Amino acid sequence: QQPVQSPQAVILREGEDAVINCSSSKALYSVHWYRQKHGEAPVFLMILLKGGEQKGHDKISASFNEKKQQSSLYLTASQLSYSGTYFCGTDAYSGAGSYQLTFGKGTKLSVIP
Amino acid sequence: DTAVSQTPKYLVTQMGNDKSIKCEQNLGHDTMYWYKQDSKKFLKIMFSYNNKELIINETVPNRFSPKSPDKAHLNLHINSLELGDSAVYFCARSPGTRGGGETQYFGPGTRLLVL
Repeated sequence: QQPVQSPQAVILREGEDAVINCSSSKALYSVHWYRQKHGEAPVFLMILLKGGEQKGHDKISASFNEKKQQSSLYLTASQLSYSGTYFCGTDAYSGAGSYQLTFGKGTKLSVIP
Repeated sequence: DTAVSQTPKYLVTQMGNDKSIKCEQNLGHDTMYWYKQDSKKFLKIMFSYNNKELIINETVPNRFSPKSPDKAHLNLHINSLELGDSAVYFCARSPGTRGGGETQYFGPGTRLLVL
């Protein structure tokens, strides 16, 4: 089942912060975050495994609440280069030793000067 | 460096034709995938495949068939193309065997337009 992302779109001015949320109705093994710029392929940002860890690099970080089956992506002091569509992908057990990665519908982030 | 290549980058064709999209990865990773991204940007997995198992998304029409001549290639063959097949198709790879928590590395995509 597809995870739900919110908001669907957000517009920021350079330097502002944003939070993108991702929630699932299934028990999750991990949550992935990807960013896709227009006309390009999705690019991996980070992955969070169950255990409630928080990860980050530069000014982009994420958290994963395993009990609530939710993840949030935090973008601080946004830059123009952060513009794009952010996808969360949720990893859930699909049987026979395999996991199924399902992507949300994406959050379109626009950073303006 | 995603190390996944796809050809062609653009594909324009008529309804009813049969076409193939090629995908190659050069890192020896075990698992490859095909995704479809429609005009609403919804990214949906079609197939995942490793050298042991093909996993098919049940909603994918049987006109679509993955073909893997060897570990480095997972091509997508589409029969009797329909207008609704127009989309961007991404090939991806991951280093493991879908044991969960594996990063997906996407190819550049093939933009298919069916007229």
